[in-house]
Amino acid sequence: DAGVTQSPTHLIKTRGQHVTLRCSPISGHKSVSWYQQVLGQGPQFIFQYYEKEERGRGNFPDRFSARQFPNYSSELNVNALLLGDSALYLCASSPIQGEEKLFFGSGTQLSVL
Amino acid sequence: DQQVKQNSPSLSVQEGRISILNCDYTNSMFDYFLWYKKYPAEGPTFLISISSIKDKNEDGRFTVFLNKSAKHLSLHIVPSQPGDSAVYFCAASDLQGGSEKLVFGKGTKLTVNP
Repeated sequence: DAGVTQSPTHLIKTRGQHVTLRCSPISGHKSVSWYQQVLGQGPQFIFQYYEKEERGRGNFPDRFSARQFPNYSSELNVNALLLGDSALYLCASSPIQGEEKLFFGSGTQLSVL
Repeated sequence: DQQVKQNSPSLSVQEGRISILNCDYTNSMFDYFLWYKKYPAEGPTFLISISSIKDKNEDGRFTVFLNKSAKHLSLHIVPSQPGDSAVYFCAASDLQGGSEKLVFGKGTKLTVNP
């Protein structure tokens, strides 16, 4: 069975641009979460979506947005990129709402120049 | 304000010996704790978890201990193997809050030497 897949794996952008990151959860998983991992830090929660509705939001500016599609895949959008947005963006899925054991993808490494 | 702290950035042990990774938390609302392992270029992988109603959970070579009064948990790996070399993240959640939000520590890089 395929795990959580994320695309692209690497991305280079310049300040002020916007970026869209994509995530396909494990088949049958209806919940998707996004995390940002800055070098030397642990992952930090950005969003959680379940059944296409936002169920949780971390302490991130409005430049960050996300959505979940009917097939449970998800997109993370970041507008007006800043240098500090450079990080590994991780997507995680779980079968149900409130399941703490998350399955993570390998992430998208975003570099903002 | 770091709610989950892993104060040891790195740990080195010999193969066959015990590895002990520590984690402290400050939020008394946390009621579920997890350990994830991360290899380079891969996402974190779930290792073991413990509910706040327990003080120990064991799975093969891995045991997690929880001391609620001290707000402290530890992961024991016995015996340690070179393949265990990875970054280990402690994470916590407020299960009653209904969200899947996990709060992670900064991680401890474990190196197991042959």
